[in-house]
Amino acid sequence: AQTVTQSQPEMSVQEAETVTLSCTYDTSESNYYLFWYKQPPSRQMILVIRQEAYKQQNATENRFSVNFQKAAKSFSLKISDSQLGDTAMYFCAFMNSGNTPLVFGKGTRLSVIA
Amino acid sequence: GAGVSQSPSNKVTEKGKDVELRCDPISGHTALYWYRQSLGQGLEFLIYFQGNSAPDKSGLPSDRFSAERTGGSVSTLTIQRTQQEDSAVYLCASSSHRTGGMEETQYFGPGTRLLVL
Repeated sequence: AQTVTQSQPEMSVQEAETVTLSCTYDTSESNYYLFWYKQPPSRQMILVIRQEAYKQQNATENRFSVNFQKAAKSFSLKISDSQLGDTAMYFCAFMNSGNTPLVFGKGTRLSVIA
Repeated sequence: GAGVSQSPSNKVTEKGKDVELRCDPISGHTALYWYRQSLGQGLEFLIYFQGNSAPDKSGLPSDRFSAERTGGSVSTLTIQRTQQEDSAVYLCASSSHRTGGMEETQYFGPGTRLLVL
């Protein structure tokens, strides 16, 4: 079974600074998807970024980018120019190809400090 | 377009009562998922519907939990004889059937917070 590990339960960052959230996973599959979701206090899970395992290029979405190391099974999220609105729980998630349920990490609570 | 909606937003019930939670997926999405988010267990998969196929019930924690999806759209998660350990946020997500691209991404509703007294 696949597992996802987020080793940082809580992190904080100054506004406008850069922060990196860690995620490792374990799978024997070769084709899969990785996601970062953000969950603010409103409880709504919001997709931040996704990465297809077959793509070597790291995904980027504006201030958000990932460092995907397939051999190391690592998928970290970098948030640049942190904003107060980035304060939330961040979940790393794994999905086998083909519309299957997500496997989530335990989450990292990020606080952006003014 | 409209996103995934869930109702009720919050539900308080007494131990032993039955509850029904509703999910309206994004229009046209054929895959629908239920997850449970609790303090001790994090986010857990419960059940998954894909089109007209038999649902994947492998994540349901007990036979008190069941779900149905009528007409390939709206889904109802039912918890019978609720227990205090059922207290959690129940999240629904939907995705398109086609593989590849953004279609497989799961989009979540706002969740239902269930409190069993």
